Amino acid sequence: DAGVTQSPTHLIKTRGQHVTLRCSPISGHKSVSWYQQVLGQGPQFIFQYYEKEERGRGNFPDRFSARQFPNYSSELNVNALLLGDSALYLCASSLRWGGTANEKLFFGSGTQLSVL
Amino acid sequence: AQSVTQLDSHVSVSEGTPVLLRCNYSSSYSPSLFWYVQHPNKGLQLLLKYTSAATLVKGINGFEAEFKKSETSFHLTKPSAHMSDAAEYFCVVISTFSGGYNKLIFGAGTRLAVHP
Repeated sequence: DAGVTQSPTHLIKTRGQHVTLRCSPISGHKSVSWYQQVLGQGPQFIFQYYEKEERGRGNFPDRFSARQFPNYSSELNVNALLLGDSALYLCASSLRWGGTANEKLFFGSGTQLSVL
Repeated sequence: AQSVTQLDSHVSVSEGTPVLLRCNYSSSYSPSLFWYVQHPNKGLQLLLKYTSAATLVKGINGFEAEFKKSETSFHLTKPSAHMSDAAEYFCVVISTFSGGYNKLIFGAGTRLAVHP
């Protein structure tokens, strides 16, 4: 069975541009969460989607947005890119809402975004 | 608010010697705690979790962790390090936000180096 897949694996953008990152959850999983991991730090929660609705949002500016499609795949969009947006963006999926003690999260390998 | 502090940013051990990665937590109630491992160019993998059952938790690959409420600690140990254990390790606590959904709060990480 395929795990969580993210595309692209690497991306280079310039300041002010827009970027779209994509995530396909494990088959049957209905929840997708997004995390940002800046070099040398632990991942930080950005969004959680369950059944195509936003269920939680971390402390990120409105430049960050996401959506979940009927097939449960998800996109993370970032507008007006800043140098500080350079990071590894991780997607995680779970059967139901993610991050609970009894709901295992499965992480993808991430998209490495570099903003120049 | 829930948080975790990983006390060492880097730990270096020789192959075959014990591993100790330290984590302290802060929580206003009984926490759910996890250890995740991140190998280069791979997704985060769950090593073990504590959910208020047994205080000594056994995980994959010979790792275990002990929950000590009196010390607010959740240290990760392994009796004998293997070269393949070299990776980044994250201590994680669950934080609940409105609506009953949860997010993972990661520590800053400990990079484990294993020398022959």
